[in-house]
Amino acid sequence: QVQLRESGPGLLKPSETLSLTCTVSGSSITSGQYWGWIRQPPGKGLEWIGGIYPTETPYYKPSLKSRLTISVGASKKQFSLRLRSVTAADTAVYYCAKNEHNTFDIWGQGTMVVVSS
Amino acid sequence: QSALTQPASVSGSPGQSITISCTGTSSDIALFNYVSWYQQHPGTAPKLLIFDVNKRPSGGSYRFSGSKSGSAASLAISGLQAEDEADYYCSSYSSGNSWLFGGGTRLTVL
Repeated sequence: QVQLRESGPGLLKPSETLSLTCTVSGSSITSGQYWGWIRQPPGKGLEWIGGIYPTETPYYKPSLKSRLTISVGASKKQFSLRLRSVTAADTAVYYCAKNEHNTFDIWGQGTMVVVSS
Repeated sequence: QSALTQPASVSGSPGQSITISCTGTSSDIALFNYVSWYQQHPGTAPKLLIFDVNKRPSGGSYRFSGSKSGSAASLAISGLQAEDEADYYCSSYSSGNSWLFGGGTRLTVL
């Protein structure tokens, strides 16, 4: 059974870089599957921010493309997100999720990230 | 790349049926049969209910069903139960290798 778990700092200051890791258990990050990041600001809806097929160039939400990097770890058990120059607008619960057959079928539990001075 | 449009809230009584709509455009729902629906209870991660417009994941409840017409999709819930009270999100694959989500619909079981 595939499980995902996000990890990373819960609190950042404006202008810092957010780094999150999603650890995959029960499977490896293989080609043919898409691994994505979705976030949810407090009290608001879900927002796809980007994702990656292991053998392809990552895909990013256009409005975040200049600040965002998504990559797969060498072990094929982790993929990560780096979001530069964060502001309060980046405060959200960040989820990693597996996408197979064009749907996000497995989600991590989510990790809360707060950007505050 | 705008979010898909959902009603902010719907309500129904136990045993009744309700429908939640999701409106997109010619670049997403109308173009691809990759509409999904998710249920989210407070403080938890979204749970997949429907994928590919009208397919249920293994073990999914038959009380949930999906459909699509043109650039709009719908989620129907029959035999409402108290535990169905939650937020519901639609999602669609979109041109440019991206995914869109709806703003979410809060379902209240009266």
